[in-house]
Amino acid sequence: AQTVTQSQPEMSVQEAETVTLSCTYDTSENNYYLFWYKQPPSRQMILVIRQEAYKQQNATENRFSVNFQKAAKSFSLKISDSQLGDTAMYFCALGDYTGANSKLTFGKGITLSVRP
Amino acid sequence: ETGVTQSPTHLIKTRGQQVTLRCSSQSGHNTVSWYQQALGQGPQFIFQYYREEENGRGNFPPRFSGLQFPNYSSELNVNALELDDSALYLCASSLGTVGEKLFFGSGTQLSVL
Repeated sequence: AQTVTQSQPEMSVQEAETVTLSCTYDTSENNYYLFWYKQPPSRQMILVIRQEAYKQQNATENRFSVNFQKAAKSFSLKISDSQLGDTAMYFCALGDYTGANSKLTFGKGITLSVRP
Repeated sequence: ETGVTQSPTHLIKTRGQQVTLRCSSQSGHNTVSWYQQALGQGPQFIFQYYREEENGRGNFPPRFSGLQFPNYSSELNVNALELDDSALYLCASSLGTVGEKLFFGSGTQLSVL
């Protein structure tokens, strides 16, 4: 069975500072995808960044980057130059090539607050 | 392009009743999946529909059922509602390719009293 663990329930960061959100996962598959999704108060899940497990290079999207450690099964999200609009719940999610294409296993999420 | 829309936004039902939630997928998307998000938890996969057929299911009982229509919109039906069914129900659409981005709606908040 696949599992995703986000052990930090809440984090707070000053505007313009950098923050790192942690995630560990477990899967028996060799090929899989990892995602970070953001859920603001509007409740709509928005994709932040995606990593393909067979790619060694860490994914980056503007201010967002990941540190993907496949052997350690770790997938952390770094947010640089934090902005007030980054305040939201952040979910780490795992998907693989077997079964339903859109079956993602999500962690419990972390509440990020950006302070002005 | 139109996004994923869900209706209704909020719903209150009593235990034992039946409920139908609706989802219009993003234009051009042929795959719809449904997730249940309990308070303080991450979303849990219920099932996926691809071209009107269910092709993947999570650990949910048969009283959770669905449909996908020729225009790729979808319904989630829950029979014999239980208190634990109270949750946010999220719909996501995609092109059905492995590892691709899912486009989520804003969900239906279901309360079972």
